[in-house]
Amino acid sequence: EVQLVESGGGVVQPGGSLRLSCAASGFKFDEYAIHWVRHAPGKGLEWVSLISGDGESAYYADSVKGRFTVSRDNSKNSLFLQMNSLTSEDTAVYYCAKDRGSMWPNSDYWGQGALVTVSA
Amino acid sequence: SYVLTQPPSVSVAPGQTAKITCGGNNIGSKGVHWYQQKPGQAPVVVVYDDSARPSGIPERFSGSKSGITATLTISRVEVGDEADYYCQVWDSASDQAVFGTGTKVTVL
Repeated sequence: EVQLVESGGGVVQPGGSLRLSCAASGFKFDEYAIHWVRHAPGKGLEWVSLISGDGESAYYADSVKGRFTVSRDNSKNSLFLQMNSLTSEDTAVYYCAKDRGSMWPNSDYWGQGALVTVSA
Repeated sequence: SYVLTQPPSVSVAPGQTAKITCGGNNIGSKGVHWYQQKPGQAPVVVVYDDSARPSGIPERFSGSKSGITATLTISRVEVGDEADYYCQVWDSASDQAVFGTGTKVTVL
């Protein structure tokens, strides 16, 4: 059974940093790209980042480029999102989601989400 | 940046058909995926690659695309289908995924 479990969420002050983790199981981790997607209160879904299975390629939304860094440790079936220079606009539930691996990137399995609150 | 436009809301009676549109420039050249999200839950993909349906998703959910618009059709709507629905594509020009603005489906 495919499982994705996020951790590391919490409350952080504006300008601060936070590191999210995503522990994966039930599939061959290094063969699949993984997405980060967030859902801010009262807003729609927003794609944040994608990292390839081998970790060599990473892509970011314009809203986080230069502030967020995605990485993975395939030896530990783990994914990370380092978030710096956080603002209130980054307050959201953050999901990690496995890419299906079909022609066009899309997510077939999602974690339960980790809440990040940026507040003084 | 690439934009996908959806109607904010769709209302439908039980047993009827709901159609949710997703418009975007040159969407015909992109694979379109649809997600259902209920309050407090993670999204679930109901259609991927325009019209493919994942295992476990009822046949009542179907996807299509014509011109600059993709459509998610929910036939024989049930109360349990009440949720927010989002379309999504990968924009190769910017190497970014894009979600639509989202549509709230209300079952009357």
